[in-house]
Amino acid sequence: ELKVEQNPLFLSMQEGKNYTIYCNYSTTSDRLYWYRQDPGKSLESLFVLLSNGAVKQEGRLMASLDTKARLSTLHITAAVHDLSATYFCAVDSYNYGQNFVFGPGTRLSVLP
Amino acid sequence: SQTIHQWPATLVQPVGSPLSLECTVEGTSNPNLYWYRQAAGRGLQLLFYSIGIDQISSEVPQNLSASRPQDRQFILSSKKLLLSDSGFYLCAWSVGSGGTDTQYFGPGTRLTVL
Repeated sequence: ELKVEQNPLFLSMQEGKNYTIYCNYSTTSDRLYWYRQDPGKSLESLFVLLSNGAVKQEGRLMASLDTKARLSTLHITAAVHDLSATYFCAVDSYNYGQNFVFGPGTRLSVLP
Repeated sequence: SQTIHQWPATLVQPVGSPLSLECTVEGTSNPNLYWYRQAAGRGLQLLFYSIGIDQISSEVPQNLSASRPQDRQFILSSKKLLLSDSGFYLCAWSVGSGGTDTQYFGPGTRLTVL
């Protein structure tokens, strides 16, 4: 069974600081996805990482994938309040019956 | 461009009542369709997925069912709601074989069972 973990589950940080969210998964996969969810809203696709060593950046967020370590990171640079949200990673299990498996989410709160 | 719709946006239902949530996708053909549930403050649980009309797989046994009467329409139903059915229901679509592609989510339906 594919398991996806995120660390930390809750993160409170000050504006201007840097931090990294980690996503670990338990089985071989070359596809990892990051989503953002604002309170009471649906999920928005942020990044798709499709190979080992893939790195994607948009604004203050940068995501990377290490398939050998089964690890993805979402790095936040110089955080601003607008980044406050819950961030989910999801892994494609290649087992069609299981599809995407989402991590539990990291609730980020950026304080002024 | 593709868009996904869900309705209703919010719903309050008594225990034991029936349920029907609808999801439609525009701007794409033969999408893979998914129903997820998110309990308050929790992650996403995949309930059903479908690769085509009348082709539906269930991930979690429960009192819910899904149907896909048309290519771009996905319906989530229940004959008798339980308190534990409360949550945020999200429909998603993707393209690609085997369902292995980015999933795009609808706006969701917030269901409260009293």
